Amino acid sequence: QVQLQESGSGLVKPSQTLSLTCAVSGGSITSGDYSWCWIRQPPGKGLEWIGYIYHTGRTYYSPSLQSRVTISIDTSKNQFSLRLTSVSAADTATYFCARKHTEAAGGDWVDPWGQGALVTVSS
Amino acid sequence: SFDLTQPPSVSVSPGQTASITCSGDNLGDEYVCWYQQKAGQSPVLVIYQDNKRPSGIPERFSGSNSGNTATLTISGTQALDEADYYCQAWDTTTAVFGGGTKLTVL
Repeated sequence: QVQLQESGSGLVKPSQTLSLTCAVSGGSITSGDYSWCWIRQPPGKGLEWIGYIYHTGRTYYSPSLQSRVTISIDTSKNQFSLRLTSVSAADTATYFCARKHTEAAGGDWVDPWGQGALVTVSS
Repeated sequence: SFDLTQPPSVSVSPGQTASITCSGDNLGDEYVCWYQQKAGQSPVLVIYQDNKRPSGIPERFSGSNSGNTATLTISGTQALDEADYYCQAWDTTTAVFGGGTKLTVL
């Protein structure tokens, strides 16, 4: 059974870059029917989509974050990563990594999710 | 781009049926997923492609989607079903989430 685990800095200063990594275990990150995504949740608020990446390296980002986000993948380590530049307090959130199931006819779904990593932006 | 609207809260008595709605323009033309998030935990998929249950999700969870509204129905609601529930659909390659509904089992 695939499991995902986020890691990275829990405290980032304003204007700096947030970096997180998601380690995938129990399955290969190169499986063709999946892509790998990041979602965040500000404290006490709802879920916000960040973007996803295929094992080929092809990426898709949320339009609202596209200018600041980079998602990358390291197939040799079976992990993928998130970088978010020029952070502010509004980027304080729990960041989840997850696996996205792709269906040719549409109707993709996200499962499973990692346990989440709280990142606080503060000086 | 589109928005998904959920009621902030729904209350239900144990053993009764809970219905959580998710509204959006022509939502019935899109596939909808539902996620359950218990306090302090990460979300769990409970319904995908409108009405399919992942392995391990109890049969009391069901979904429907037609017109402008998708509905998550929990039959015979149990105390352990108390959680936040989020609907989700796709706007091309971007996932759109509803604002979430807090289900309280009184």
